[in-house]
Amino acid sequence: ELKVEQNPLFLSMQEGKNYTIYCNYSTTSDRLYWYRQDPGKSLESLFVLLSNGAVKQEGRLMASLDTKARLSTLHITAAVHDLSATYFCAVHSGSARQLTFGSGTQLTVLP
Amino acid sequence: DADVTQTPRNRITKTGKRIMLECSQTKGHDRMYWYRQDPGLGLRLIYYSFDVKDINKGEISDGYSVSRQAQAKFSLSLESAIPNQTALYFCATSDSGQGGVHIQYFGAGTRLSVL
Repeated sequence: ELKVEQNPLFLSMQEGKNYTIYCNYSTTSDRLYWYRQDPGKSLESLFVLLSNGAVKQEGRLMASLDTKARLSTLHITAAVHDLSATYFCAVHSGSARQLTFGSGTQLTVLP
Repeated sequence: DADVTQTPRNRITKTGKRIMLECSQTKGHDRMYWYRQDPGLGLRLIYYSFDVKDINKGEISDGYSVSRQAQAKFSLSLESAIPNQTALYFCATSDSGQGGVHIQYFGAGTRLSVL
């Protein structure tokens, strides 16, 4: 059974600071997704990471994938209030027909 | 207009009642999914369907049933609602995937309360 663990689950940070969210998964996977959920809203796709060493960046967010360590990171650079949201990673293993989601990291960026 | 539409957006019902949540999509995707979201538990898959004749149970299908009436429509039913089915429910769609990529697109969600 594929397990996906995120940490931290809750993160409060000051504007302008950097931080990293971690996503560990338990079995071999070649596709990892990051989603964002604003409070009271639906989920939106941020990144898809397809291979070992893949790195994707958009604005202040950068995601990377290490398939050997079964680890993805979402790095936040110089946080701003607009980044306050819950971030989910989700893993799609080769044999599975569905995504398995982590529990989410609720990020609050404080002024 | 939204590509993935869920109705109703909010629903309050009583224990033992049968209710249906509906999902329709205009994205032309083959694959559709139903999830529930509970605080601290992320999203858990209830059912998924890869086409009209391919319906599969997810992680937490007990107490739920689904119907894929057409490629664009996928309904979730609670045959006899119970309070621990109080949650936020999401429908999602994806295509068959170029190169194995299956980005899922989510509806706005249905907030269900079972009293």
